[in-house]
Amino acid sequence: AQSVTQPDIHITVSEGASLELRCNYSYGATPYLFWYVQSPGQGLQLLLKYFSGDTLVQGIKGFEAEFKRSQSSFNLRKPSVHWSDAAEYFCAVGVGTSYGKLTFGQGTILTVHP
Amino acid sequence: DGGITQSPKYLFRKEGQNVTLSCEQNLNHDAMYWYRQDPGQGLRLIYYSQIVNDFQKGDIAEGYSVSREKKESFPLTVTSAQKNPTAFYLCASSTGTKNYNEQFFGPGTRLTVL
Repeated sequence: AQSVTQPDIHITVSEGASLELRCNYSYGATPYLFWYVQSPGQGLQLLLKYFSGDTLVQGIKGFEAEFKRSQSSFNLRKPSVHWSDAAEYFCAVGVGTSYGKLTFGQGTILTVHP
Repeated sequence: DGGITQSPKYLFRKEGQNVTLSCEQNLNHDAMYWYRQDPGQGLRLIYYSQIVNDFQKGDIAEGYSVSREKKESFPLTVTSAQKNPTAFYLCASSTGTKNYNEQFFGPGTRLTVL
């Protein structure tokens, strides 16, 4: 079965600094990869997704992620963080034969200092 | 606007009572999902349904039940057999096709057992 690891439970950055959130997955083939963001007490919003093709994908709110097959990683990046980016971020993996089921990582809480 | 609605936003239950959480979608999606979210544990799949009148257990189905009588509705009942039901519950839907796993989420219901 596939699994997802987000090694960082909590990250703190200063506003304007760059950000990288790590995600590693375990699966024998290339999965479908997603990053979601959740504000406190809210549902999840899709930031970006990777299905195939270009390994660098662009998402909403200035985020991007890079799929690295050799490292089984799909790290999320943003060059300059805004205070409104403070939230919890989830990486998720889908397998093509699983009819829509996703496996989620534990989440990374992002705190932004002014 | 298309989307997923969950009601109520907050729900309080006495021990020993069953409660039902509502989830409705107007995205014309075939597949629907219920997740439970606890701090530091990410999202865990309770039940999912790929089509009307059919559903499967997820990873933590014990103490929960669902029905899927209509395409747009997937209610979740938290029974008295669920030993620790206090949590945030998220409903999601997807097209459910074999190679497309993107899920769209509702705003969630916070259940508290008194």
